[in-house]
Amino acid sequence: DGGITQSPKYLFRKEGQNVTLSCEQNLNHDAMYWYRQDPGQGLRLIYYSQIVNDFQKGDIAEGYSVSREKKESFPLTVTSAQKNPTAFYLCASSPRTGGDIQYFGAGTRLSVL
Amino acid sequence: DQQVKQNSPSLSVQEGRISILNCDYTNSMFDYFLWYKKYPAEGPTFLISISSIKDKNEDGRFTVFLNKSAKHLSLHIVPSQPGDSAVYFCAASQGDYKLSFGAGTTVTVRA
Repeated sequence: DGGITQSPKYLFRKEGQNVTLSCEQNLNHDAMYWYRQDPGQGLRLIYYSQIVNDFQKGDIAEGYSVSREKKESFPLTVTSAQKNPTAFYLCASSPRTGGDIQYFGAGTRLSVL
Repeated sequence: DQQVKQNSPSLSVQEGRISILNCDYTNSMFDYFLWYKKYPAEGPTFLISISSIKDKNEDGRFTVFLNKSAKHLSLHIVPSQPGDSAVYFCAASQGDYKLSFGAGTTVTVRA
């Protein structure tokens, strides 16, 4: 069953702590993305990667970091520099060819303790 | 600067009637438009899309209309069903794999 798996579903961060959100896909997609959703707002792009070992900043990359060492994995680290990390985080992927349809995981809700 | 706008945060419609969701954009370089549906605590799921070379695309109960001169698109759902109650996001792309999303419209279908 192909899809995108995000874990954990819920995550709590203490002050000054870095936390890492996992995103794995078995769709054989080249491109992967991280979005943040806040109440009443649309999805905002944090980082994206079009190929292994390469990634670009999106619109709100400050306080976040990513890596893309394997095609199927694109973890997102929320660092202590991100002062307002409470949000719903969504990972997506898309094939290199075939248009711009992005397929999303179920999301991770991050809260600050 | 939000390039995709959904000005109606919510829409309530009776079951069996038509739902019309609207979306406006400002970037004339956008050439591909998508609608996503999202239930609470889940990721968005792709619904329907349209390329800028077309003005209409239909898939079952869902039809998307594109008016390039007005930089406006709309999603029609006919007939509306209780399972259609969700948040609908409009998104746009200029071919570089990045999507710009609107803030969403919450649709409630009343029995």
